Amino acid sequence: GENVEQHPSTLSVQEGDSAVIKCTYSDSASNYFPWYKQELGKRPQLIIDIRSNVGEKKDQRIAVTLNKTAKHFSLHITETQPEDSAVYFCAASKSNYQLIWGAGTKLIIKP
Amino acid sequence: GAVVSQHPSWVICKSGTSVKIECRSLDFQATTMFWYRQFPKQSLMLMATSNEGSKATYEQGVEKDKFLINHASLTLSTLTVTSAHPEDSSFYICSADRGNYNEQFFGPGTRLTVL
Repeated sequence: GENVEQHPSTLSVQEGDSAVIKCTYSDSASNYFPWYKQELGKRPQLIIDIRSNVGEKKDQRIAVTLNKTAKHFSLHITETQPEDSAVYFCAASKSNYQLIWGAGTKLIIKP
Repeated sequence: GAVVSQHPSWVICKSGTSVKIECRSLDFQATTMFWYRQFPKQSLMLMATSNEGSKATYEQGVEKDKFLINHASLTLSTLTVTSAHPEDSSFYICSADRGNYNEQFFGPGTRLTVL
């Protein structure tokens, strides 16, 4: 079945710098790749997603890139701010809706 | 739009009792709802997928007789943890899919503590 690997498990960056989180997936039929942000004790919230017919998508300081050939996708956060501190999860799915989750990345923004 | 509520937000119960958790899509009809379990500092673990009017599909290793799921309408799914034990203590989160491009919307979660 599908497997999603996420790296790094913890990422610490200086406020204002960029952060990059990477995920790889195993099932070439996967066509939907969301990224969720989860603050402690709260629900995961969708921050950006990308579909397999697109290579890159951007929303203000957040961008996601997808390399279908290599089967990996990445989350890029620029000009990081303290409120970006959270756990970020990537996921992948096919058209049957079941999301396969990465293990998560704890992002720490240092002031 | 796309708001999912979950009730209760937290519950403490004695070992051996049953606990029911409700998940509601407030402003859309959810063709599919998902139940997850999350341990501290870990990822979301899918327990089961439920579709309105049909039996839930459970993931491998999840006991269907212990975690009863009922999806009675397009806006409500319930998870009942039967004969709860301390090892069932966890954060349970539901999500709903409005049938639009795989996007899932999450409820706020339920913190279950079994004494």
